[in-house]
Amino acid sequence: NAGVTQTPKFRVLKTGQSMTLLCAQDMNHEYMYWYRQDPGMGLRLIHYSVGEGTTAKGEVPDGYNVSRLKKQNFLLGLESAAPSQTSVYFCASSFTVNTEAFFGQGTRLTVV
Amino acid sequence: ILNVEQSPQSLHVQEGDSTNFTCSFPSSNFYALHWYRWETAKSPEALFVMTLNGDEKKKGRISATLNTKEGYSYLYIKGSQPEDSATYLCALLILYNFNKFYFGSGTKLNVKP
Repeated sequence: NAGVTQTPKFRVLKTGQSMTLLCAQDMNHEYMYWYRQDPGMGLRLIHYSVGEGTTAKGEVPDGYNVSRLKKQNFLLGLESAAPSQTSVYFCASSFTVNTEAFFGQGTRLTVV
Repeated sequence: ILNVEQSPQSLHVQEGDSTNFTCSFPSSNFYALHWYRWETAKSPEALFVMTLNGDEKKKGRISATLNTKEGYSYLYIKGSQPEDSATYLCALLILYNFNKFYFGSGTKLNVKP
């Protein structure tokens, strides 16, 4: 079972460049989430989706956009990367809110 | 933004010691609490999903309790082993906004052989 797969695993961007992070899950989960993890901050929710075609803002949505065109995929976009977006990004999915979340392996993004 | 606090921030114990740590959260509008184990260079893995006041859950040497009225959950590890070294995260779900997990910043456990 693949579970939750994130691509890429590492990326270095220059300020102002754009990129898309892909999260794919093969568990037929309705809920998908994008988090960022920074030292001393814990996991902070960027955006989430409760089903195909729906997205919503989390705690720290500014500078990011998302799309959930297919149930199994949740894309996180950075239109114009900034050094403050240097972080480790985690995608997660769950069947319902009351079931465990499964996490991807993380994407380490550095913006220089 | 809800404040989910975990204490201590870090913990160093010897192999064989039993240990416990705390997750504190606002008791109003409680819906569920999740515990995750996060090893370095890996992704978080679920340990427990707890919903009812007084819940006690156990998985091997790890167990957890929940008090929703006073707003805390304890995670216990009996006879710690080096492979238990990880960061343990709790995440809160609340009523009326249960699409979002509110994570604590974690307790980092280091078990010395």
